[in-house]
Formats: sequence, C-alpha cells, structure tokens
Amino acid sequence: QSVLTQPPSVSAAPGQKVTISCSGSSSNIGNNYVSWYQQFPGTGPKFLISENNKRPSGTPDRFSGSKSGTSATLGITGLQAGDEAYYYCGTWDSSLSAGVFGGGTKLTVL
Amino acid sequence: EVQMLDSGGGLVQPGGSLRLSCAASGFTFSSYAMSWVRQAPGKGLEWVSGISGSGYITYDADSVKGRFTISRDNSKNTLYLQMDSLRAEDTAVYYCARVTGDYTQIDSWGQGTLVTVSS
Repeated sequence: QSVLTQPPSVSAAPGQKVTISCSGSSSNIGNNYVSWYQQFPGTGPKFLISENNKRPSGTPDRFSGSKSGTSATLGITGLQAGDEAYYYCGTWDSSLSAGVFGGGTKLTVL
Repeated sequence: EVQMLDSGGGLVQPGGSLRLSCAASGFTFSSYAMSWVRQAPGKGLEWVSGISGSGYITYDADSVKGRFTISRDNSKNTLYLQMDSLRAEDTAVYYCARVTGDYTQIDSWGQGTLVTVSS
C-alpha cells in the first residue's frame, strides 16, 4: 500500500481533458515538492513535472501540475492516443526521511 | 548527453548478496544527489535509497534499511547499491536516478537492471 494515493485508472476520449489526483499528508505533499512521471510499458519512467508545476524541457504544455494542501493533480489537455501510459506522483516524506511514490494511474485514451 | 548505465543485476538465492553499479557520464557527477528506485514486475515505482553529491548523507526506505547500502565513488563517476540478505520481495528492476532538488525530483533515469531473488 503506497503512502501516496492515486486512482488506479482514468480514461477519456481523444481531445478531452483528464486529471489524475495524488493524495498524501502534511509530512509529504503538504510540505514538499511533488513530481510526476510518465511510463510506457516496458520502458523507464520519464520526468514530466517538477516542483509541483514546472515542466522540464521536452514536456508539452498540454501537461500541467498543481498542488493544494496535501493533494496534487496532474492535468492533461488535448488527449492523444500516445498519452496512454502509467503516471506516477512522487515526493519526499519528512517523517519517514524517505522518498515516496503513488501507486500509479493507468491512463486509457478511449 | 546525460547517460547512466546500470549493471550488476542477475539471479540470486534468498539470503544472498549482489552489488549494483551505475556508471554516469555527460554531467558533473559529484554535483548531483542520486537515488535508486525499483519496480517489481507488474507493480509501481518504489524509492529505495538516496545519497548526497558528496556521499556523506544517505537515506533508505524502511523496506531495505539495514540490508542495502548506497554509496558512490565520485572519482569514478559511479553509484553503487550493495544489497545483502536479499528476499524474494526484492525482485525488481532497479533504476539509477539523477536527482535535482529532493530525492524524488528525478530528471534522468538509467535503463534499469533486473534483480531476481529466487531459489
């Protein structure tokens, strides 16, 4: 069971918008930066969003991140078939003195 | 170009040991903290260990504390993970990861090396 909680799956039609939530606590999301990763089956993760809402070079502006209190959200607009992947949130947990990830969310583009 | 080449994985019996290596290039290795992240077959990401750029500060997940040791040799641009007392639940692909900021702000990943713990 992961410290951070994500929905197991989300889906939406091409061109639509989808959001993926990541819920934690004051010891992790509440007081630390959240990052997001995209992973296609059989490949390694890719850095998607840093420091809650910053897009590293190479991340399309269709992807956005936000944080409020002890929750974070990844938003994807203009969904494309190529966005079908697993998405993970991650952050530092100050109480555990360890990194923590969410369980991952599978995005299906209908 | 940033590159990190993970190696050292393989099949090991329960209770055995293995040392993973990560050879880094394309950046000033000592300026970056590093992490190891693993992914069990069909499962999600799990942060394992982190180490500061100097190597003086380390952190470990509770699941590996006392069994795994992260270290680095900045003269060789190499990151290590010494894994002892291995268990079946340690079976996973292990990724070397370059960190920016805290230990889960990971901007570059190695290709991963598979560790299988089985008799």
